[in-house]
Amino acid sequence: DVVMTQSPLSLPVTLGQPASISCRSSQGLVYSDGKTYLNWFQQRPGQSPRRLIYQVSNRDSGVPDRFSGSGSGTDFTLKISRVEAEDVGVYYCMQGTHWPPYTFGQGTRLEIK
Amino acid sequence: VQLAESGGTLVQPGGSLRLSCAASGFTLSSYDMNWVRQAPGKGLEWVSYINTRNITVYADSVKGRFTISRDNAKNSLYLQMNSLRDEDTAVYYCAFAVGAIRNGMDVWGQGTTVTVSS
Repeated sequence: DVVMTQSPLSLPVTLGQPASISCRSSQGLVYSDGKTYLNWFQQRPGQSPRRLIYQVSNRDSGVPDRFSGSGSGTDFTLKISRVEAEDVGVYYCMQGTHWPPYTFGQGTRLEIK
Repeated sequence: VQLAESGGTLVQPGGSLRLSCAASGFTLSSYDMNWVRQAPGKGLEWVSYINTRNITVYADSVKGRFTISRDNAKNSLYLQMNSLRDEDTAVYYCAFAVGAIRNGMDVWGQGTTVTVSS
């Protein structure tokens, strides 16, 4: 199975400052259709996960444009341009290229400093 | 569009349990469905998948013990869990992808808690 490795695992950020989360896969994530199925999820405290971004950089409906995704091959990044209080939670990358199975990163806990 | 899981409870090791996921606002039979779990204080783990033709896939950790199924007439998804182990303790979410399945799940239920303990 493809192993997804996130860093950092804990991310204290000052309100209004940027944040960046890295995700690395043990295998390349380009599928046979040419697309890269690397997705990002947010889980706020006490809530179910919510998908933020699919195929590296496509924001889901309703996701603020301060969230952006980038990367290629095996290295990917989720960036928040200016952290707000509602961004507190755990962020997971997940690959779908080598499904089954879907595999998730360990999660990065974002907190306000 | 909503998913509502139920059936989670405390069960002894070796026991069985059936989780349900009721869909509302959409026709469940039109979508491939998944179960994903989250152990206490841990990350997300995909458990099982069923497509619209009832083809099923399982994580190695549950293969041979769990069975996913759907009842289109009841607009519901199920997870039959047998031979439960301590490590199956988790919140179980049903979820599906409106678009391509490789994009992951964009609709999630609120989860139901399964505790395996003597």
